[in-house]
Amino acid sequence: NAGVTQTPKFRILKIGQSMTLQCTQDMNHNYMYWYRQDPGMGLKLIYYSVGAGITDKGEVPNGYNVSRSTTEDFPLRLELAAPSQTSVYFCASSYSPSGVFTGELFFGEGSRLTVL
Amino acid sequence: AQTVTQSQPEMSVQEAETVTLSCTYDTSESDYYLFWYKQPPSRQMILVIRQEAYKQQNATENRFSVNFQKAAKSFSLKISDSQLGDAAMYFCASDSGYALNFGKGTSLLVTP
Repeated sequence: NAGVTQTPKFRILKIGQSMTLQCTQDMNHNYMYWYRQDPGMGLKLIYYSVGAGITDKGEVPNGYNVSRSTTEDFPLRLELAAPSQTSVYFCASSYSPSGVFTGELFFGEGSRLTVL
Repeated sequence: AQTVTQSQPEMSVQEAETVTLSCTYDTSESDYYLFWYKQPPSRQMILVIRQEAYKQQNATENRFSVNFQKAAKSFSLKISDSQLGDAAMYFCASDSGYALNFGKGTSLLVTP
């Protein structure tokens, strides 16, 4: 019963470094998401994917890239890390049969990233 | 842009009492879902309750219930018989057709 698994849970980066946050789900969900959570700001959508090979930008995509080569995996790439990317990142998935979004998201435990 | 507004940054309730958390939303969808998620200090996002907009009956899950006013675009969460374990951040979310839009959250403190 793993659900949505994110790694790493914590990471400190220096300005200009790059890294990838890994996300995998074992529920055969077709939709997957990356959100970031900043204090007092709720969750903001970075990127989402409605299926393998399909990705699209959310509200705050700048500075990030994603890929979806399999149903299970949805990694988030940070290029040239900046202090503004210090945040908690959540991966989530959803089962939307026949492409009809049903709304319920299943979340990973979050990854806290600090850029110094 | 679709928005979700939670006007109460913090709320406090005594154990065993009832508290209501407010949420208003704006959506262009004709049929949609609304959610309340709970985030305890562990950071895990936990689904509390879900409402389908086409259903007029308010959703209920044990001690949690909603007051859904579609015309007013209001979706409040009522927690009855509050327990210490209810202390958390509560996020209201609306369906954008492919993802959820979240409010900024309400921090709920439960006092003995």
